Amino acid sequence: QKEVEQDPGPLSVPEGAIVSLNCTYSNSAFQYFMWYRQYSRKGPELLMYTYSSGNKEDGRFTAQVDKSSKYISLFIRDSQPSDSATYLCAMTPNTGTASKLTFGTGTRLQVTL
Amino acid sequence: ETGVTQSPTHLIKTRGQQVTLRCSSQSGHNTVSWYQQALGQGPQFIFQYYREEENGRGNFPPRFSGLQFPNYSSELNVNALELDDSALYLCASSFGQADTQYFGPGTRLTVL
Repeated sequence: QKEVEQDPGPLSVPEGAIVSLNCTYSNSAFQYFMWYRQYSRKGPELLMYTYSSGNKEDGRFTAQVDKSSKYISLFIRDSQPSDSATYLCAMTPNTGTASKLTFGTGTRLQVTL
Repeated sequence: ETGVTQSPTHLIKTRGQQVTLRCSSQSGHNTVSWYQQALGQGPQFIFQYYREEENGRGNFPPRFSGLQFPNYSSELNVNALELDDSALYLCASSFGQADTQYFGPGTRLTVL
């Protein structure tokens, strides 16, 4: 079993829809949770960064962490064609030394006109 | 502020050869991490360098090695290339060992 599970999709939604992307994990030591966006043939770009449980909002993006369920989510409101990309969740125990990121496989999102 | 840069963009090698990939960290960052991303997969942690010392390693064999230079740029070396080494190799830099990591565009390596 992988430490981080993520539905690979693809997920296709119409423009303006609310998108929900999710990851589950098994390592209870994970404390910091990130969402990266990766366009085709590009490096991952950091979208959201949250610590422990709770919600964080940034514009059209909301990240949620539920440590009791080992479940994290990214919501995208009013989705745009430019949101079409692969979304990667990542997490780390971040003990203050080496911060190895453990990634999910990524969910490919297509926002259609 | 200059972001993370990597070279070359693409590389084609044959099995058994050796390859060196290069990374320049973002201005002010002293930590570099390397990841391997196979097609359709998430990045896998190879190792991290902090102030020129290896500071954590993932589940990769010793033929994967690296260096970090005094200006915090870094190299990833892979010896005895195998077909499964074909992947996108990503470099990420951060201000400290446990700080947010910012990724470069990657080097796409194809092993024939």
